[in-house]
Amino acid sequence: QAQLVESGGGVVQPGTSLTLSCTASEFTFSIYGIHWARQAPGKGLEWVSLISPEGNSQFYGDSVRGRFTVSRDNSKNTVYLHLNGLRGEDTAIYYCAKEANLWGIAGYFDLWGQGTLVTVSS
Amino acid sequence: DIQMTQSPSSLSASVGDRVTITCRASQGISHSLAWYQQKPGKVPRLLIYSVSALQSGVPSRFSGSGFGTDFTLTISSLQPEDVATYYCQKYDRVPHTFGQGTRLEIK
Repeated sequence: QAQLVESGGGVVQPGTSLTLSCTASEFTFSIYGIHWARQAPGKGLEWVSLISPEGNSQFYGDSVRGRFTVSRDNSKNTVYLHLNGLRGEDTAIYYCAKEANLWGIAGYFDLWGQGTLVTVSS
Repeated sequence: DIQMTQSPSSLSASVGDRVTITCRASQGISHSLAWYQQKPGKVPRLLIYSVSALQSGVPSRFSGSGFGTDFTLTISSLQPEDVATYYCQKYDRVPHTFGQGTRLEIK
């Protein structure tokens, strides 16, 4: 059964960095774009980032552009989200999600990971 | 960027009721609209894509309609297990913006 598993969350101080991982299994990882979305406690879903299947295109939401960087290693079936300059408002559950369309970057999310919690607090 | 606005923000209905949630895009998005269901403490689940296509395994009481800027999610006969927050999402291009969510409760 296709699966995405996030890891790397934790409690960090403002201004510091963290790297999240999203590891895929049971599907051909290298032909799908992978998104990151987040959900602050008690709030709605916010789209964060997208990386294309081959990793040569990256996209970011306005609130994270310039601070977060997305990358992928298709040999390890893993996408990384590097979070820099963390702020209190970055506190959220971070989900990775798979694009539904082969080779596409304009599709809905047909598979979600279970999420990893990032807490930014002094 | 295109904004997605859902209404109502919360809704209380009785078992068996027909429930409708609306999602409006600030610009046209053709048919690039999905709906997700998120139960408390759980991961979002895809319900509907391309405005009206039902994801495999989703009960047929869920349906979607609309085009361009105005879309609806309808539950034909509300069941207790439908208590959740529902989100629309545009995916024509980045950013893949979500609506703010509609919390559905049983009266």
